[in-house]
Amino acid sequence: DGGITQSPKYLFRKEGQNVTLSCEQNLNHDAMYWYRQDPGQGLRLIYYSQIVNDFQKGDIAEGYSVSREKKESFPLTVTSAQKNPTAFYLCASRLKGPGPYNEQFFGPGTRLTVL
Amino acid sequence: AQSVTQLGSHVSVSEGALVLLRCNYSSSVPPYLFWYVQYPNQGLQLLLKYTSAATLVKGINGFEAEFKKSETSFHLTKPSAHMSDAAEYFCAVSVFRDDKIIFGKGTRLHILP
Repeated sequence: DGGITQSPKYLFRKEGQNVTLSCEQNLNHDAMYWYRQDPGQGLRLIYYSQIVNDFQKGDIAEGYSVSREKKESFPLTVTSAQKNPTAFYLCASRLKGPGPYNEQFFGPGTRLTVL
Repeated sequence: AQSVTQLGSHVSVSEGALVLLRCNYSSSVPPYLFWYVQYPNQGLQLLLKYTSAATLVKGINGFEAEFKKSETSFHLTKPSAHMSDAAEYFCAVSVFRDDKIIFGKGTRLHILP
């Protein structure tokens, strides 16, 4: 079955550590996205990528980094510069073109807790 | 710039009653609109989407939404609520030549027995 996988489902981090969240898709989608979800705040866009080796900052990119070396993979690193990283992180992908009516498909999420 | 406003962060309805979740959008160009559902500790799942083909859109699990340009609204409805409908619902908007989808803050639906 085609879909998006995120790992791990739960992640615990000590303050000052960098951690990397995995996102893989086998839908052959061009665009991939990372969102952060906090209670009552909806989904906030961290980074997105429309093509391999290219990505753009979203609304809350500070303290995060990404790479897009392969079409199917879009890992997110939460660095020690992110002051409040405890949250639920969602990865999504989307087929590009010909119009904007293609929906995003979401992974199951990773819950990150800083101890 | 486009935006989405969902009225009511929490909505409670009795089992068997009408479900109405409100969404208003702001866009200077024709929008494309989506409703997603999220169950606890899971990702989002598409319920339905408006792509200008028809103003009344039917989705999964008995949900439907009507696009009303004059009211800039895209409210989600279901005639009879079921306990399994308890979840968080997100309205979202996308416009041409923009690879981003803008999400509302969500409405948590509670079903009362």
